[in-house]
Amino acid sequence: EPEVTQTPSHQVTQMGQEVILRCVPISNHLYFYWYRQILGQKVEFLVSFYNNEISEKSEIFDDQFSVERPDGSNFTLKIRSTKLEDSAMYFCASSLRQGRNTDTQYFGPGTRLTVL
Amino acid sequence: GNSVTQMEGPVTLSEEAFLTINCTYTATGYPSLFWYVQYPGEGLQLLLKATKADDKGSNKGFEATYRKETTSFHLEKGSVQVSDSAVYFCALRGNYGQNFVFGPGTRLSVLP
Repeated sequence: EPEVTQTPSHQVTQMGQEVILRCVPISNHLYFYWYRQILGQKVEFLVSFYNNEISEKSEIFDDQFSVERPDGSNFTLKIRSTKLEDSAMYFCASSLRQGRNTDTQYFGPGTRLTVL
Repeated sequence: GNSVTQMEGPVTLSEEAFLTINCTYTATGYPSLFWYVQYPGEGLQLLLKATKADDKGSNKGFEATYRKETTSFHLEKGSVQVSDSAVYFCALRGNYGQNFVFGPGTRLSVLP
């Protein structure tokens, strides 16, 4: 069964450094998402992406964050200058459609980001 | 805006006990409802879903019925196993294909 993959599984970085989290969505999916989960808290939406542009973003997704689909398979989340509070598990997800509310988002295993 | 409320955990049960995890939601229109499960050290996995009122989602012995009149989607399982120990997230997705809104999660521990 096709699945969403994410690399690395764990990223440790110093405060102020840039990080790039990588995702490979399911190959025929068209909509891509990033969510984050601060330890012990709920999963929060960050951004959705379709047709090479952001379709929706939350208040969390400020100018420090950016997303990109650099080629036909990868979907990346960049944090320009990490802060301690960016430490969280970051989940990528993809779906075939978004217009119908019945469509399911498939989640990757997550990247745990630790900012020191 | 849309929101999801779940019962506070953690929930600790003995093996073969009956499980209920309550979930209620607030949304305009007709959202789709989901339960996701997160096993220790892993990502989110879709457990079941229901897309319209009175639909019942089921998978791996878990069930949940979409109750529009009570805006609820409670998760149930008749006989839990140790391997069911995980965090369970109730979620909704609105009418117009927006992103998911997740509840806070309920941690379930099943003891042998």
